[in-house]
Amino acid sequence: NAGVMQNPRHLVRRRGQEARLRCSPMKGHSHVYWYRQLPEEGLKFMVYLQKENIIDESGMPKERFSAEFPKEGPSILRIQQVVRGDSAAYFCASSPLVNSPLHFGNGTRLTVT
Amino acid sequence: EDKVVQSPLSLVVHEGDTVTLNCSYEVTNFRSLLWYKQEKKAPTFLFMLTSSGIEKKSGRLSSILDNKELFSILNITATQTGDSAVYLCAVESDSWGKLQFGAGTQVVVTP
Repeated sequence: NAGVMQNPRHLVRRRGQEARLRCSPMKGHSHVYWYRQLPEEGLKFMVYLQKENIIDESGMPKERFSAEFPKEGPSILRIQQVVRGDSAAYFCASSPLVNSPLHFGNGTRLTVT
Repeated sequence: EDKVVQSPLSLVVHEGDTVTLNCSYEVTNFRSLLWYKQEKKAPTFLFMLTSSGIEKKSGRLSSILDNKELFSILNITATQTGDSAVYLCAVESDSWGKLQFGAGTQVVVTP
């Protein structure tokens, strides 16, 4: 009974490159959430998706960031033209229903050099 | 502006001690309050509280919500070194799954 799977665990990108972070939710979970944890800060909500739909993206930066959760395959968080300030731990969470607890993956640590 | 405040920020206790962690909140449209334990990787779900005054218990951990005074406490009794972690409080308000996290309380349990 695998938990939320994120890959890669660590990702290093140079400024200007693209970063793609993947998240496979727990089996039976159709709700996916992305959170970001900046150094010395708490977890911040970014986006909430259901299959093929973005439900709430109020926490996503307006530029360079996008997320999808296709009918088949994992959810993808994409960051274009990364900058040093994007360095953070990106956590994915999933839940089976709208009012049930979120279960988090181990995160992807993005380092921008 | 919504906020979630945890206290203390950190504490060090000896094995066997009891710790009490606090979380106060000011949010509109409160739905639930959740506690997580984070040990360098995934936050692990502990409790979800929606009703005031009802204690939730799991082994040595327990938690209760007061949604009139707008706070929750997490208790850990007979602490063990494996309890060392950051404990996160989060409130779900505007929409499902959109959690606002506190800064966390770092707990260190010494042998």
